[in-house]
Amino acid sequence: GAVVSQHPSWVICKSGTSVKIECRSLDFQATTMFWYRQFPKQSLMLMATSNEGSKATYEQGVEKDKFLINHASLTLSTLTVTSAHPEDSSFYICSARDGQGDFGELFFGEGSRLTVL
Amino acid sequence: EDKVVQSPLSLVVHEGDTVTLNCSYEVTNFRSLLWYKQEKKAPTFLFMLTSSGIEKKSGRLSSILDKKELFSILNITATQTGDSAVYLCAVEHTGGFKTIFGAGTRLFVKA
Repeated sequence: GAVVSQHPSWVICKSGTSVKIECRSLDFQATTMFWYRQFPKQSLMLMATSNEGSKATYEQGVEKDKFLINHASLTLSTLTVTSAHPEDSSFYICSARDGQGDFGELFFGEGSRLTVL
Repeated sequence: EDKVVQSPLSLVVHEGDTVTLNCSYEVTNFRSLLWYKQEKKAPTFLFMLTSSGIEKKSGRLSSILDKKELFSILNITATQTGDSAVYLCAVEHTGGFKTIFGAGTRLFVKA
């Protein structure tokens, strides 16, 4: 079946540094990918919709300049957490749809756990 | 504001029990309702429901959608310890295909 790969699976960084997380669709093309954030024992909170070749669409309350999203190709979207602070520590998950929109199944990456010291 | 509400938030049962998980929603431009199982990391897909009254089944799991009353249920019969997980309900929008998740139901099945 379709696979979405996320890298790195975990990262520890110092406060003030930037961290990039990659999300790749391995055997299908994804014009749209989604980025979520998940706090412990809570559900997935949609952060933004990543659109290939255009700007990402951010959800209300998500800082665009803080969470930079780039979707440069049909198989790769990146999320960069800029000037990370301890409150940015979280589990970040991406998803991509297999198919051109019409009820294509949504596949999730394995997630990236970010810890900011 | 769009929202997806799941209940109960947590549930402890014994092996062999049957459980029913609930999901209600208020979403503009509804496209579909999805159920996922999340064990350790990535959620895994269970069901997609788009039409009212049509039950979807997969082994011991089944689900149905009521678009008039805006809710769905997920049933698990003859539960096993391997069913222990967080079950997420999500609703998908038309146009943009944005997906909103509920808080999840944490199910623990005791041996």
